[in-house]
Amino acid sequence: QVQLVQSGAEVKKPGASVKVSCKASGYTFSSNGISWVRQAPGQTFEWMGWITPYSGDTKYELNLQDRVTLTTDTSTSTAYMELRSLRPDDTAVYYCARDASAYDISVADYWGQGTLVTVSS
Amino acid sequence: SHVLTQPLSVSVAPGKTARITCGGKDVGSKSVHWYQQKPGQAPVLVIYYDDDRPSGIPDRFSGSNSGDTATLTIRRVEAGDEADYYCQMWDDNSDHPYVFGTGTKVTVL
Repeated sequence: QVQLVQSGAEVKKPGASVKVSCKASGYTFSSNGISWVRQAPGQTFEWMGWITPYSGDTKYELNLQDRVTLTTDTSTSTAYMELRSLRPDDTAVYYCARDASAYDISVADYWGQGTLVTVSS
Repeated sequence: SHVLTQPLSVSVAPGKTARITCGGKDVGSKSVHWYQQKPGQAPVLVIYYDDDRPSGIPDRFSGSNSGDTATLTIRRVEAGDEADYYCQMWDDNSDHPYVFGTGTKVTVL
């Protein structure tokens, strides 16, 4: 069965960077894109970006594109999200989600368990 | 950019029907997906491309989308349906193309 297992919770100081991993199993990793979505406490979701392991192509949310980098390692079926210059309002649960298509954004059909990132001095 | 507006809460008795709306300008021209999120858990896709149901999702869940409103309908509501529900759409003509709704808390009385 499809599984996305994310790395553990992180606590960071303002200005630092965080890198969250998402290890996929149960399907052919290069056959589907991966979106990253975050959810601040008590809020709705915010899409951060999308990457396809098939070609390495990426799409980023305009407001975050200067601070976020998405990568994949096809040898380990793992996707990564790095967020730089962290601010307290980056405190959120970060999710990876498998996209139904490898070629363009479609629908996020399976989600990881989430990674809590807390930014505090 | 699109804003998808949902009612803050919907209350429904067991066995009855819950309808959750997702309003946005011309949302009917886009594909809408719906997610269920229970406390402390990751979202689960319950409806995709307006009215398709993933395998494993009961046929009590259905969707529609027309004009300025998409709707998630849950028939014969059960206690286990109590959760937050979010609509989501992709609009590649927008500066902020991947949009989630504001979310609706469904309470089973």
